Amino acid sequence: NAGVTQTPKFRILKIGQSMTLQCTQDMNHNYMYWYRQDPGMGLKLIYYSVGAGITDKGEVPNGYNVSRSTTEDFPLRLELAAPSQTSVYFCASRVREGPHEQFFGPGTRLTVL
Amino acid sequence: QKEVEQDPGPLSVPEGAIVSLNCTYSNSAFQYFMWYRQYSRKGPELLMYTYSSGNKEDGRFTAQVDKSSKYISLFIRDSQPSDSATYLCAMSQNSGGSNYKLTFGKGTLLTVNP
Repeated sequence: NAGVTQTPKFRILKIGQSMTLQCTQDMNHNYMYWYRQDPGMGLKLIYYSVGAGITDKGEVPNGYNVSRSTTEDFPLRLELAAPSQTSVYFCASRVREGPHEQFFGPGTRLTVL
Repeated sequence: QKEVEQDPGPLSVPEGAIVSLNCTYSNSAFQYFMWYRQYSRKGPELLMYTYSSGNKEDGRFTAQVDKSSKYISLFIRDSQPSDSATYLCAMSQNSGGSNYKLTFGKGTLLTVNP
């Protein structure tokens, strides 16, 4: 199993550009999450999904959109990128049963200039 | 008051030292308590989790939860340079059905010097 994979690893965007961060998991997990991690600020939940076709907002959803058409994929869309979206983005997944272990991907480092 | 407070450090110790990492919390609804380890430029990985007050041991690592004081700790015995990482505490509460919301501390950066 590859676990949770994310692409790209790094990206530099100009203000106002758009992009999609890709996330795929091969563990057949129902739940998937998108977090952002800013230096010294911990992890903040952007969006999550409890299964294909079902998504919901987390703590910091503004400026982002998600979709979940399959169990495996959970892309994060940034529209009209702003410098405040400069961050490291992590995708995570977990099985439905049990409240604890989320498996994280390696992250995407995004800089908006 | 923030839901989860964690001293960001940094913490620097010599190899072989006992390390103590701590978090406090204010939300009584938290049910599960976790420690994640994050190496530089990597994603977090679950180290340990506990449900009830008390201690849980796994090799050189011991997780301690005191629900009455709303305080959790992670102890690392005989620390090794390979333990150098950021340690994040995380706490979960049920947010409906089988969905649990994780709230993370800011993380403590630990360096173990050879």
